[in-house]
Amino acid sequence: GENVEQHPSTLSVQEGDSAVIKCTYSDSASNYFPWYKQELGKGPQLIIDIRSNVGEKKDQRIAVTLNKTAKHFSLHITETQPEDSAVYFCAAIFTGGGNKLTFGTGTQLKVEL
Amino acid sequence: DTAVSQTPKYLVTQMGNDKSIKCEQNLGHDTMYWYKQDSKKFLKIMFSYNNKELIINETVPNRFSPKSPDKAHLNLHINSLELGDSAVYFCASSQDLTRSNNEQFFGPGTRLTVL
Repeated sequence: GENVEQHPSTLSVQEGDSAVIKCTYSDSASNYFPWYKQELGKGPQLIIDIRSNVGEKKDQRIAVTLNKTAKHFSLHITETQPEDSAVYFCAAIFTGGGNKLTFGTGTQLKVEL
Repeated sequence: DTAVSQTPKYLVTQMGNDKSIKCEQNLGHDTMYWYKQDSKKFLKIMFSYNNKELIINETVPNRFSPKSPDKAHLNLHINSLELGDSAVYFCASSQDLTRSNNEQFFGPGTRLTVL
């Protein structure tokens, strides 16, 4: 079935260090993989996405890599700052229509001073 | 501001009541969605509409009835509220259903508490 697994569930890093969150998906035909950041009391905000015809995408301190063969994708945040602290969700759109996003279970990232 | 907006932000009600949550987007998008986020923060789709037409109904109890009066609005009506309906409900929109335009933008959420 349609499934996205996300690890770790919690991640604590020191300010300035890098953070990596990993996801795997079940449908090899999936073609769109967004990452969302959710701050306390707010809605998920799209921070970066990648499509299946690309292996890597970078936007300032954030990068996403996609390995279609292994069916996994990762979020990399470099030079972390306290304002990066939030819950991060990976997601995938599976084939079958409707543009339905299937989310991972979330990673609580805490950046410590 | 261009955005997805929801009202109310908080909703506290008794079991058995009927309530509605409203959603509006001024992004000019054709497609709108409702997602439910439970107490463990798990996000799951409930419905999607494209140009006022129902596209996805993800095995949601029929106590939940979405209504799209026009493509900029997607409201969620819930009958006979149960304790298990307590959650945060997010509205979202995307430009359309095509592969190149499927970025989804989320509203701020409505926290529903059923007592």
